[in-house]
Amino acid sequence: DTGVSQDPRHKITKRGQNVTFRCDPISEHNRLYWYRQTLGQGPEFLTYFQNEAQLEKSRLLSDRFSAERPKGSFSTLEIQRTEQGDSAMYLCASRRGDRVAGPQETQYFGPGTRLLVL
Amino acid sequence: QKEVEQNSGPLSVPEGAIASLNCTYSDRGSQSFFWYRQYSGKSPELIMFIYSNGDKEDGRFTAQLNKASQYVSLLIRDSQPSDSATYLCAVKAAGNKLTFGGGTRVLVKP
Repeated sequence: DTGVSQDPRHKITKRGQNVTFRCDPISEHNRLYWYRQTLGQGPEFLTYFQNEAQLEKSRLLSDRFSAERPKGSFSTLEIQRTEQGDSAMYLCASRRGDRVAGPQETQYFGPGTRLLVL
Repeated sequence: QKEVEQNSGPLSVPEGAIASLNCTYSDRGSQSFFWYRQYSGKSPELIMFIYSNGDKEDGRFTAQLNKASQYVSLLIRDSQPSDSATYLCAVKAAGNKLTFGGGTRVLVKP
């Protein structure tokens, strides 16, 4: 059973550069989530996909952020014109698509991409 | 008021003792509740899931949910040094996202 994978695991960039992160969810999971976590805080929701449709975006997701999931499988998160405040761990999670409450609602997290903007 | 609140800790417990962690939430429509463990520099991993009032036990872990009082707790029995981590409470309301608390750092001292 392959878990959620993310690439790269670490990224150092200079302010103003663009960066792109990739997430590969668990294969049978059609729901995919992006979160951001800064030091000492819990993860904060950024956006959510069901298959290829982006169904929800947080107000945290400024115009410099864009996410895609073109074929309903892997997803990319791009940050344009990075700022030092973008430095964080970017987490991807996936889950099955069942609607009823239960353990299938569990979101499984990838290892994260740690971004440092200099 | 934050949507999900946890005491940041650290909660220091001796090895073999019970660690008790609490979490309160503000949205009465919240349906499902999760406890994740996060080691330093790592991503969250699921420990427990609960959505019915009462207790749910899994090994050394017990989750307790009280929707009327809007709190969920986690007990860790026979605490081990390997339990030293940050424990995140996550709440799912009517939408699809999880809302996390800030986490409680637990230190288990040998």
